[in-house]
Amino acid sequence: GENVEQHPSTLSVQEGDSAVIKCTYSDSASNYFPWYKQELGKRPQLIIDIRSNVGEKKDQRIAVTLNKTAKHFSLHITETQPEDSAVYFCAASQTGFQKLVFGTGTRLLVSP
Amino acid sequence: GAVVSQHPSRVICKSGTSVKIECRSLDFQATTMFWYRQFPKKSLMLMATSNEGSKATYEQGVEKDKFLINHASLTLSTLTVTSAHPEDSSFYICSARSGAPETQYFGPGTRLLVL
Repeated sequence: GENVEQHPSTLSVQEGDSAVIKCTYSDSASNYFPWYKQELGKRPQLIIDIRSNVGEKKDQRIAVTLNKTAKHFSLHITETQPEDSAVYFCAASQTGFQKLVFGTGTRLLVSP
Repeated sequence: GAVVSQHPSRVICKSGTSVKIECRSLDFQATTMFWYRQFPKKSLMLMATSNEGSKATYEQGVEKDKFLINHASLTLSTLTVTSAHPEDSSFYICSARSGAPETQYFGPGTRLLVL
């Protein structure tokens, strides 16, 4: 089955810096890759997703890149703000198989 | 749009009792709902996939007789933790599929404490 690895487990940056979180997946059949942000005690919220027919997607300060050959995808956050502090999870799934396999999470801390 | 609610948000119960958690899609019909368990500072662990009108599919290692799942309508799925024990204490989160084939939206979670 699919296995998703995520790095780093913790990431501390200064406000205004960029943050990059990386994930690798094992199943070449996976074709959908969402990213979720979870604040302490709250629900995971979808912040961006990408499908395997595109290599990059951007939404304001957030972007995701996908390298299908290497089977890895990354989340890029630019101009970080303290409110970006949270745990970020990547995930992977196959169309039609429904279930998401999550990475282990990255705790991002943005210091003012 | 794509709002998922969960009830209760917190529950404390005695060991040996059963607890029911409801997951509702408020503004869309969800043919598939998912139940996760999350331990402190850990990732989401999928417990089961719930399809409306059919039996749930449980992940390996999850006891189906202990975690009863019912998906009776397109907007409601329930998880019942039977004969709860302290080790069942955890954060339980549901999600529902909406529109796009893969997109999942999460409920706010239920924190269960078994004494």
